[in-house]
Formats: sequence, structure tokens, C-alpha cells
Amino acid sequence: GDSVTQMEGPVTLSEEAFLTINCTYTATGYPSLFWYVQYPGEGLQLLLKATKADDKGSNKGFEATYRKETTSFHLEKGSVQVSDSAVYFCAIYFQGGSEKLVFGKGTKLTVNP
Amino acid sequence: SAVISQKPSRDICQRGTSLTIQCQVDSQVTMMFWYRQQPGQSLTLIATANQGSEATYESGFVIDKFPISRPNLTFSTLTVSNMSPEDSSIYLCSAGDTHTEAFFGQGTRLTVV
Repeated sequence: GDSVTQMEGPVTLSEEAFLTINCTYTATGYPSLFWYVQYPGEGLQLLLKATKADDKGSNKGFEATYRKETTSFHLEKGSVQVSDSAVYFCAIYFQGGSEKLVFGKGTKLTVNP
Repeated sequence: SAVISQKPSRDICQRGTSLTIQCQVDSQVTMMFWYRQQPGQSLTLIATANQGSEATYESGFVIDKFPISRPNLTFSTLTVSNMSPEDSSIYLCSAGDTHTEAFFGQGTRLTVV
């Protein structure tokens, strides 16, 4: 079945450091890909998405590119801020397949000043 | 966007008892979902709450253990029945017009002792 493998955390960085959180997936066909973020004390919210190969999703300085050949959707940010401290979840959705969001385990990011 | 309010935010319950979690949306939505996040695991879809009909459960989840109600387009409840310590998890409500355009509540952290 569909599955998502996400880089395990926790990840601790200094402010202005470069961030990469790896995400790979297994699915039959070509799912849509998502990154969700959960800030402390808040619900999950959609950060960015990509619906087809080579699409790049971006938001709040974060980017991720849909790589069909490597079945990956790695999250990157060039310069993290303390306010980016949160838990990040990679997810896939395959219409015509499982037809539900399938999530990774989440990666906790802490950014220190 | 929709605002999702979930109650209670946390609870500690005795084994063998039941807990009902409420989810209120500030606008009418087509779909409402219930997820479970066990410690160190990813979010797993329990069921889709259907207005006016029985919920649609995912493999591994049954109505007797997780009865769900959805009396209207803005409200749903999830009951965790006959609880055991293995039911200790975070339970999340999600609501929106599609799976991938859904918003999440802050979750209910349940501890069964």
C-alpha cells in the first residue's frame, strides 16, 4: 500500500542555517504530495503541495520539488528562523488509489537563536 | 479557511471506560475525518464521518470500538470505547471539502491508565 518515509528527528539547527528534511514515498501511480506543519499548541496546517512531477511547492521560504524518478519530496529552506520551530509532516494523496492522506511520522525541528 | 475546535484538549481516563471527543467547525463542510497519532507514529485515518449516515471506517478500525456521529455539517463526535492503555494517543479531527483541503483541530491527547 501507499507509504511515506520521513527523516527522523529531532533536528536542531541554529538560526539562519540551511534545512533539509527528507521524504520519500511508495505508491502505485502518481500521488499528490504535501508538507504539513504543526506549530506548538496548534493544529496541523498545510505548508505546501505539488500535484505532478517536477512541480515545486513553496510557501514561507520553504520549498519542495516533486521528483518522480526518486519518489521524493524533500523539504528545504535556505535560512531558518526560530519561528520555524515545529513538527513537519510529509504526506501523499492518491485519488483512485487509497483515496486518503497517508502521513509520515513527522520531524520535530528546533531552531535556536 | 475553517476553524476547528476540539474538546477536550487532553484527558486521563481509567481503562474500561469510554471517552467522547467533540469536533466543531465554524462553517459547513462536506467532509470530516478522525485521525489517530500513536506515540512515535504517523497520523492514521480512523474514519470519515458522514452526515446522515454511518461513518466509513479504515481497515483495522471498527464501529464498536470507535463509534462516530455526525448530526450536521459542522459537528462530529468520536467515542473511544472500553479503553485500554494501547488507546493512549492523540486523536485529531479534520474537516474540509476534500481530503486534501481539510483543516485540522489541535487534537485530543488521551492517556489511559
